[in-house]
Amino acid sequence: SQKIEQNSEALNIQEGKTATLTCNYTNYSPAYLQWYRQDPGRGPVFLLLIRENEKEKRKERLKVTFDTTLKQSLFHITASQPADSATYLCALSLGALHMRFGAGTRLTVKP
Amino acid sequence: EAGVAQSPRYKIIEKRQSVAFWCNPISGHATLYWYQQILGQGPKLLIQFQNNGVVDDSQLPKDRFSAERLKGVDSTLKIQPAKLEDSAVYLCASSFQGRVTEAFFGQGTRLTVV
Repeated sequence: SQKIEQNSEALNIQEGKTATLTCNYTNYSPAYLQWYRQDPGRGPVFLLLIRENEKEKRKERLKVTFDTTLKQSLFHITASQPADSATYLCALSLGALHMRFGAGTRLTVKP
Repeated sequence: EAGVAQSPRYKIIEKRQSVAFWCNPISGHATLYWYQQILGQGPKLLIQFQNNGVVDDSQLPKDRFSAERLKGVDSTLKIQPAKLEDSAVYLCASSFQGRVTEAFFGQGTRLTVV
């Protein structure tokens, strides 16, 4: 069966460090991979989208990589801040259909 | 630009009762999703609409859940009868048709079944 796994439930890092979150998938050939941020009591908010033929995408302090051979995406937040504390979700889709989410990783950035 | 609107914000019902949730997507968005998010888990896709038509309902428990999207705009999700394990946040999201782009989510409806 298809599985989307995010490496850990929780990640604690010190302010200023780089946070690296992992999204692995099996029995899946997604065309697109997205990362969302979710704060408590709120709906997910889109951050980045990367296509299967792209290796890397950047947006300000965010960077995402997509390795279809390893079936893995890495999501990096550089120079992390306490305001980056949230749950981060990866989502895979086949074209415009079937967007499926992982369980999420709760990131805490300590001052 | 107005976001995705959902109501009610919270709902408490007894098991075996029925409940309905409403969603108004962003204007012009032809794709509409309903997700179920159980505490501590990621959102689970229940159903995806493209305009009026259903394009994915493979994970919708059709014996108790139903959804409709009349006129390709607003949508309702219904649960009848509810079970304890249906306690979750129900999220509605929308996106442009035919493009792989970001989905915009509403704040969700928190359902508690007692």
